[in-house]
Amino acid sequence: AQRVTQPEKLLSVFKGAPVELKCNYSYSGSPELFWYVQYSRQRLQLLLRHISRESIKGFTADLNKGETSFHLKKPFAQEEDSAMYYCALSPNYGQNFVFGPGTRLSVLP
Amino acid sequence: DGGITQSPKYLFRKEGQNVTLSCEQNLNHDAMYWYRQDPGQGLRLIYYSQIVNDFQKGDIAEGYSVSREKKESFPLTVTSAQKNPTAFYLCASSSTGNYNEQFFGPGTRLTVL
Repeated sequence: AQRVTQPEKLLSVFKGAPVELKCNYSYSGSPELFWYVQYSRQRLQLLLRHISRESIKGFTADLNKGETSFHLKKPFAQEEDSAMYYCALSPNYGQNFVFGPGTRLSVLP
Repeated sequence: DGGITQSPKYLFRKEGQNVTLSCEQNLNHDAMYWYRQDPGQGLRLIYYSQIVNDFQKGDIAEGYSVSREKKESFPLTVTSAQKNPTAFYLCASSSTGNYNEQFFGPGTRLTVL
């Protein structure tokens, strides 16, 4: 069965510190992985996706198939990065997403 | 904003009553989804539809029903059979095909009194 885990419910870092939000998945095929973000009082929106291999707002994520991980990283956290972050998996040929439980990132001044 | 709208923003219901949540999109997307968002549990898929007049159960469909009579609309009915309906409900849509991004609505918070 497909599953996405995010081990940290809450992650607090100071402004300017590096941040890493962990995501692990279980899936037998080759899924596409996404990170979605939900800022306070805003709707859930796509942050980045593996297939695009792009950096959005300074965030990057590398797919490690050996470790089945897709951790989200940013070298220098900003206060505006404070939000809820969800890792999601989309299996081959399907549109159904499996979301992780989410990690709340709090960037302290 | 725009694209996907959900109404109402807040909804209160008495126990034993059915209630319908609205979801409309003008993105010309074929696929639409309903999720339930609970603290600490992330988003759980209730129902999804990849084409008009067709829909499938997600992981937690019990106590819910949907219809897809129009491409733009995918209403969700929370029935009295749903044991714990108080939650935040999110609607999403996407193009069909592989690995397409889902676009989300603003959500409806349902509270059962």
